[in-house]
Amino acid sequence: QVQLQESGPGLVKPSETLSLTCAVSGFPISSGYYWGWVRQPPGKGLEWIGGIYHTGDTYNNPTLKSRVTLSVDTSKNQFSLKLRSLTATDTAVYYCVRLRGTGSYSFWGQGTLVTVSS
Amino acid sequence: DIQMTQSPSTLSASMGDTVTITCRASQGISSWLAWYQQKPGKAPKLLIYKASTLEDGVPSRFSGSGSGTEFTLTISSLQPDDFATYYCQQYHSFHTFGQGTKLEIK
Repeated sequence: QVQLQESGPGLVKPSETLSLTCAVSGFPISSGYYWGWVRQPPGKGLEWIGGIYHTGDTYNNPTLKSRVTLSVDTSKNQFSLKLRSLTATDTAVYYCVRLRGTGSYSFWGQGTLVTVSS
Repeated sequence: DIQMTQSPSTLSASMGDTVTITCRASQGISSWLAWYQQKPGKAPKLLIYKASTLEDGVPSRFSGSGSGTEFTLTISSLQPDDFATYYCQQYHSFHTFGQGTKLEIK
């Protein structure tokens, strides 16, 4: 069974860079699929951030693209998100996901709350 | 950007009822639509993809239909476990979600 687990800081200061990692178990990333990130501000709806293939090809939300870097480490079976120039509006639960094709999200991590505050 | 609009925002229903949630896209998305269920404090769960294909393990009382710009999620014979928030998501052009529909017990 595919399992995903996010890790990273729970509190980040404004203007800094958020770094999150998603560890995958039960499936080798190098075998395929897009792997991605979705976030959800407290009490609000869902927002897609972007996805990355094991080859490094990325597929990002245009509204966040300039601030987002996705990377994959097949040797550690994990992938990562960097989000730059944080503001309070980036406060959210961040989920890592496995995509079905480049579309729906068939597997989800449990989510990690990131608060942007000084 | 493709905008997704769900209706209603809140739906009150009783156990055993059949309910329908609608999702409209601002432009045609063929059948590139998914539905998710989310419970408080939990990650969303994929119910349906490609507008009408049931994800493995999802009960058959969930069904999806539609293509182009109008889609529906129907839940038949509501069970206690079904009271949650539901989101649609398009993946025709990048990805966007509807704002959610909260299904409450009447």
